[in-house]
Amino acid sequence: QKEVEQNSGPLSVPEGAIASLNCTYSDRGSQSFFWYRQYSGKSPELIMSIYSNGDKEDGRFTAQLNKASQYVSLLIRDSQPSDSATYLCAVRGRGSTLGRLYFGRGTQLTVWP
Amino acid sequence: NAGVMQNPRHLVRRRGQEARLRCSPMKGHSHVYWYRQLPEEGLKFMVYLQKENIIDESGMPKERFSAEFPKEGPSILRIQQVVRGDSAAYFCASSPRDRSGETQYFGPGTRLLVL
Repeated sequence: QKEVEQNSGPLSVPEGAIASLNCTYSDRGSQSFFWYRQYSGKSPELIMSIYSNGDKEDGRFTAQLNKASQYVSLLIRDSQPSDSATYLCAVRGRGSTLGRLYFGRGTQLTVWP
Repeated sequence: NAGVMQNPRHLVRRRGQEARLRCSPMKGHSHVYWYRQLPEEGLKFMVYLQKENIIDESGMPKERFSAEFPKEGPSILRIQQVVRGDSAAYFCASSPRDRSGETQYFGPGTRLLVL
């Protein structure tokens, strides 16, 4: 059973601060990683995908991947109250489970004004 | 460009009834995935389908649950003889093709409540 672990939070940061969200995964051979944002009562919305070690930046969001440590993170710069949501880390399966995403339970982020 | 469509958005059933959840993938997408999110829990994979084929159903409960994606029309997740434990949000996602790295885009979900 592949596992994806996230700190459940809640994580609370002031507006304008950097929010750091972390995720570890158990399958060393995993290749594809995703961050989704889910507002309460809504569906997951893709923020970032990352496949290679290092950083990937998109606007205020930076995803970081370290396959050796089996660790992926998401940094949100200049956090806004509208960023308050649950952030889901997802890892794509391999081989016979290539089609599925394994999700962590999510980290709840609150950005206060 | 319409996104993934799901209907109904909310569904109420009494124990023992059948629930049918529909999903139309994004235009140009031929791969459909169903996930379930129980209250206060994470998203769990259920089944992966292509047109007229079930690719991976290892996440589906062995009984009462079935899924299809016919040549024409939406994908359907069917739950027979629902029980209260089936109450959850059911999300459908689609992707254009199943290569490593292809992103899955989620629909708005169907919230199923079993009374």
